[in-house]
Amino acid sequence: QTVVTQEPSFSVSPGGTVTLTCGLSSGSVSTTSSPSWYQQTPGQAPRTLIYSTNTRSSGVPDRFSGSILGNKAALTITGAQADDESDYYCVLYMGSGIWVFGGGTKLTVL
Amino acid sequence: QVQLVESGGGVVQPGRSLRLSCAASRFTFSSFAMHWVRQAPGKGLEWVALISYDARHKYYADSVKGRFTISRDNSENTLYLQMNSLRPEDTAVYFCARSPSPLDAFDIWGQGTRVTVSS
Repeated sequence: QTVVTQEPSFSVSPGGTVTLTCGLSSGSVSTTSSPSWYQQTPGQAPRTLIYSTNTRSSGVPDRFSGSILGNKAALTITGAQADDESDYYCVLYMGSGIWVFGGGTKLTVL
Repeated sequence: QVQLVESGGGVVQPGRSLRLSCAASRFTFSSFAMHWVRQAPGKGLEWVALISYDARHKYYADSVKGRFTISRDNSENTLYLQMNSLRPEDTAVYFCARSPSPLDAFDIWGQGTRVTVSS
């Protein structure tokens, strides 16, 4: 079974830029995987940041951007702020109506 | 604004059943595919099921296939998840989420409803 991979943790300095990635244990991520990104803080529902590779959800600041980098989907956060400290999840479309989440990345801003 | 509100969670014994509901408001529910996603305590998000806008197509994660059934009532703007033969590993917060367009994942989420499977 194909696994969706994410960095377990990442840290960024305030004001800095960080790129989180979302890959496949076998194969490459492309736009047909329709990668999406979600931010979640403890006890809260996820918040949609990016869907369809690079479409920002309503109200999401342009500090957040999505792309394909090499064989992975990527979420780039520029000008990191303290309240960006959260868990970040990607999800990929596997075909036949099936979606699979990555394990999530815990982002620390320090 | 657009809203999804889940209900129906609770504590249930292994092997029993539970039905979750997700009430949609302030958008044309019948035009959108809908998902269920869950999150076990301290764990990541897990996609559970997808239903097309017209209920003609339904898809399930392997972990719930044959035990869970997704359905919808477009006249009542409500999404359902019938969960049978529940197991302790089904313990999670269950979220409903809207799909913004075919082949897109989720844009709008509910606040979640907690299900605990325990004897």
